[in-house]
Amino acid sequence: DVKVTQSSRYLVKRTGEKVFLECVQDMDHENMFWYRQDPGLGLRLIYFSYDVKMKEKGDIPEGYSVSREKKERFSLILESASTNQTSMYLCASSSAFLYSYEQYFGPGTRLTVT
Amino acid sequence: QKEVEQDPGPLSVPEGAIVSLNCTYSNSAFQYFMWYRQYSRKGPELLMYTYSSGNKEDGRFTAQVDKSSKYISLFIRDSQPSDSATYLCAMSRRNDMRFGAGTRLTVKP
Repeated sequence: DVKVTQSSRYLVKRTGEKVFLECVQDMDHENMFWYRQDPGLGLRLIYFSYDVKMKEKGDIPEGYSVSREKKERFSLILESASTNQTSMYLCASSSAFLYSYEQYFGPGTRLTVT
Repeated sequence: QKEVEQDPGPLSVPEGAIVSLNCTYSNSAFQYFMWYRQYSRKGPELLMYTYSSGNKEDGRFTAQVDKSSKYISLFIRDSQPSDSATYLCAMSRRNDMRFGAGTRLTVKP
């Protein structure tokens, strides 16, 4: 059974704190993604990585950074959390197949910044 | 204009009804068209995908793609309470995948 796990289901942080969200996949996938999901806006891509130590900005990278030191692990970092980063964060992975149509998602982390 | 438009609903139907969910898009380069289902407090899971135009059927679910109109649909026949979820359309070109906002569906017993 394929699996993407995220380190926390719920997280409450204060404004200005540094926040780490961890994601691990066990499918040996090359690609990994971080999205945020907000009502009415759907899933918006923050960053993705297609290989270890490689990263590409998505549509809304401002205020975020990422780290991928190992193939199975992709971390999202909020350098200085702000209230407008309160959201559901979803990690996903997919194979490197050129026209990949399937991404496997983790259960999400609901982050509240107060 | 958003790249993918999807009516967020919510949509509430009685058990056994036929459900129609729709999305429009603006980028004609998309090649794969997907429907993901997301249950409450879970991540989205792929339900169906279609390559280019045409229909695809899987049990009670039918996906349709009309590339000329840039319009995709998902039909659910004989809807069940277990179908209650948020349905997200998605489309991709290479590794660039775009999602709709999701339609929340409730099927009442």
